[in-house]
Amino acid sequence: DAGVTQSPTHLIKTRGQHVTLRCSPISGHKSVSWYQQVLGQGPQFIFQYYEKEERGRGNFPDRFSARQFPNYSSELNVNALLLGDSALYLCASSHAGTSGAPFSYEQYFGPGTRLTVT
Amino acid sequence: AQKVTQAQTEISVVEKEDVTLDCVYETRDTTYYLFWYKQPPSGELVFLIRRNSFDEQNEISGRYSWNFQKSTSSFNFTITASQVVDSAVYFCALSEVDAGGSYIPTFGRGTSLIVHP
Repeated sequence: DAGVTQSPTHLIKTRGQHVTLRCSPISGHKSVSWYQQVLGQGPQFIFQYYEKEERGRGNFPDRFSARQFPNYSSELNVNALLLGDSALYLCASSHAGTSGAPFSYEQYFGPGTRLTVT
Repeated sequence: AQKVTQAQTEISVVEKEDVTLDCVYETRDTTYYLFWYKQPPSGELVFLIRRNSFDEQNEISGRYSWNFQKSTSSFNFTITASQVVDSAVYFCALSEVDAGGSYIPTFGRGTSLIVHP
């Protein structure tokens, strides 16, 4: 079975621009989460979506937004890019389980999108 | 607020040595989940183990073992007879339910393990 896929692999943007990152979950997974990983640190949670609804949001500014589509794929959008947004953006999918609590289950991560803001 | 501390930034060992990666967490909840992930140089995080707060049984999987102790809020990870392929950054993570009923994960800063041949 295919794992979590993300596109693009690498991206270079200029300050002030907008970026859209894409993620396709593992088949059968209904939950998608987004993380930002700055070099040398652990992933920081941005958003989590389950069944097209936002179920969790980390401590990120409103410049960050996301959505989930009927096929469970997801997009992360970042507006007005800053130099500090340069990072590896990771997408993860998971089963929700009967409790509907996706983060109680293991997550499967994609290879990430390396965003560089100049 | 939840917090995960991986005090060891980098550990360097020689192949076949045993190595323990420490993880200490803070949480106010009685129900929570703990995880370990491996991030090899390729960058993709790989799930290793999940443990809920009510299950303190230690677990062994091949050369890997995990020691969960609620009394000390620790969830340590031991690799026995380390191999070069174990070289990676290892992350400990905690998921705790927030006020809205959603589980929010927090990752530690990671421990970089270097295994020399």
